[in-house]
Amino acid sequence: NAGVIQTPRHKVTGKGQEATLWCEPISGHSAVFWYRQTIVQGLEFLTYFRNQAPIDDSGMPKERFSAQMPNQSHSTLKIQSTQPQDSAVYLCASSLVGLGYEQYFGPGTRLTVL
Amino acid sequence: GEQVEQRPPHLSVREGDSAFIICTYTDSATAYFYWYKQEPGAGLQLLMSVFSNVDRKEEQGLTVLLNKKDKRLSLNLTAAHPGDSAVYFCAVETGNYKYVFGAGTRLKVIA
Repeated sequence: NAGVIQTPRHKVTGKGQEATLWCEPISGHSAVFWYRQTIVQGLEFLTYFRNQAPIDDSGMPKERFSAQMPNQSHSTLKIQSTQPQDSAVYLCASSLVGLGYEQYFGPGTRLTVL
Repeated sequence: GEQVEQRPPHLSVREGDSAFIICTYTDSATAYFYWYKQEPGAGLQLLMSVFSNVDRKEEQGLTVLLNKKDKRLSLNLTAAHPGDSAVYFCAVETGNYKYVFGAGTRLKVIA
């Protein structure tokens, strides 16, 4: 089991460019979560998919951020017109569906916006 | 919504000593609790999960205590070694599956 896979591990973009981050959940896991980690804010929930359907995006900034899960083997987080304040580590996690199932995290994508 | 406070933010112990980390939470309905370890440049590694029907759980040199009355969760690393140096996070699972994390404790184990 390869665990949760995230690509790329590092991404550098210029201000105003688009960034797409990829996540491949653990095979058999039907729940996928995205979190953002910064020094100032810590770990923040962004969005959650269950069986590929978006369930909760309450943590997503209303503008410029979007997430999709086109199939059970990958999810994407897209940031349009990136800004320096979007610089963070973006973590993807997957789990079985239901309360009390542990979330397993990928290594994260470090996004740097210049 | 749920809020989690974690302390201390930094902790330095000598090899062989214990390291103790505490989290407090606000929602008495919270039922699922987790501890994670994060090494530099890596994601979060699950250490232990605890459900609210458990007061104490021990695994591989780690002891988790849950005090539901005081809404307090703790992690004790016994006989710490340099490989334990990392950032440790507690997390609580809200009723809608997402986790709320503590701010983290940066542990340094000195040989």
